[in-house]
Amino acid sequence: GENVEQHPSTLSVQEGDSAVIKCTYSDSASNYFPWYKQELGKRPQLIIDIRSNVGEKKDQRIAVTLNKTAKHFSLHITETQPEDSAVYFCAVLMNSGYSTLTFGKGTMLLVSP
Amino acid sequence: DTGVSQNPRHKITKRGQNVTFRCDPISEHNRLYWYRQTLGQGPEFLTYFQNEAQLEKSRLLSDRFSAERPKGSFSTLEIQRTEQGDSAMYLCASSLAIGGAGNTIYFGEGSWLTVV
Repeated sequence: GENVEQHPSTLSVQEGDSAVIKCTYSDSASNYFPWYKQELGKRPQLIIDIRSNVGEKKDQRIAVTLNKTAKHFSLHITETQPEDSAVYFCAVLMNSGYSTLTFGKGTMLLVSP
Repeated sequence: DTGVSQNPRHKITKRGQNVTFRCDPISEHNRLYWYRQTLGQGPEFLTYFQNEAQLEKSRLLSDRFSAERPKGSFSTLEIQRTEQGDSAMYLCASSLAIGGAGNTIYFGEGSWLTVV
């Protein structure tokens, strides 16, 4: 099965700084890589995703990069704000008709004013 | 709100009792997933349905767990003879699967289970 490693487990930054979270995966057949943000007691919410046919995707202050050769992908948040504080999960979906997401263990991001 | 709906949101039960959670997916979504999440962990896959067919089950889904999606719309997850280790948040999610994989999965708010 798929194995997803996520680092770091916690990340503290000052408001306005950038934050980078990295995930590695094991199955080269994986083809879909979403990132979810989860606030305390709330549902995981999709913030950005990337598919295996592109290397980078950006949405305002959030970007995701994918290196299929090295089997890793990263979430980049620029100009961080206190409301970005949450737990962020990466996930991986294999290229299969019968499969679902495998999640990393999460990164707790704390943005200090 | 036309998102994924789950109820009850919170359930406290005594060990050995049975509990049932309900999930109503986004209306046009044909795939429905159940995940379990404990504190400090990412969601762990339990099972999923495409329409009414249960297509995949995780090894985490012991024989005390059963899920149904009888008409391909809402789903129920039942846990029989609950144990303290079953305490977790049970997340339901749905997606619209067209052709191959890689479809966006949307989560509900979850059902918190505490077994005392």
